Amino acid sequence: SQTIHQWPATLVQPVGSPLSLECTVEGTSNPNLYWYRQAAGRGLQLLFYSVGIGQISSEVPQNLSASRPQDRQFILSSKKLLLSDSGFYLCAWDRGNGRNTIYFGEGSWLTVV
Amino acid sequence: AQSVTQLGSHVSVSEGALVLLRCNYSSSVPPYLFWYVQYPNQGLQLLLKYTTGATLVKGINGFEAEFKKSETSFHLTKPSAHMSDAAEYFCAVSIRDDKIIFGKGTRLHILP
Repeated sequence: SQTIHQWPATLVQPVGSPLSLECTVEGTSNPNLYWYRQAAGRGLQLLFYSVGIGQISSEVPQNLSASRPQDRQFILSSKKLLLSDSGFYLCAWDRGNGRNTIYFGEGSWLTVV
Repeated sequence: AQSVTQLGSHVSVSEGALVLLRCNYSSSVPPYLFWYVQYPNQGLQLLLKYTTGATLVKGINGFEAEFKKSETSFHLTKPSAHMSDAAEYFCAVSIRDDKIIFGKGTRLHILP
């Protein structure tokens, strides 16, 4: 069966510090991978998605970047965090073509102080 | 492009009462429709999904949803609410090769 893991689960970082959130999927190959952010009362915001290694699409301009160095690894990064980057970050995957179920990781709480 | 609207960002029901969470979608072609649930500090879990065939879809934890093409709706129901149902619920739609689109979510509160 397929599983998805993301870490760390909780992170408190000062403004201006770097960020790295990591996500891995097991039990499948060539998944679509996604990073979402969830801010209080604002639903799910799609940040990045990837259909393959090195292929990253950004949905919104922001202070963050994403990379996919391996087929089942997706990394969310920032060189300098802003207060507005605080939120709950969710990694997710699906099998492609938009009609399959999307599966989410456990989420990572980021607080920028 | 497809879109999804969830009516009511917060819904409160008494324990044992009917749960009804509303979702309307917009799509020019037959969509796939989903309901996800999110418990506090957790990721989203799939409750149920409609692809093709039977329009009444049963999911986990006693929830079900009915696809009504004429009303472009996919409302989520449960006959009797339980305290453990308190969570945030997301309706979602996908078509063809497009990415899944989520609604803004409805937080369900269960009153004792």
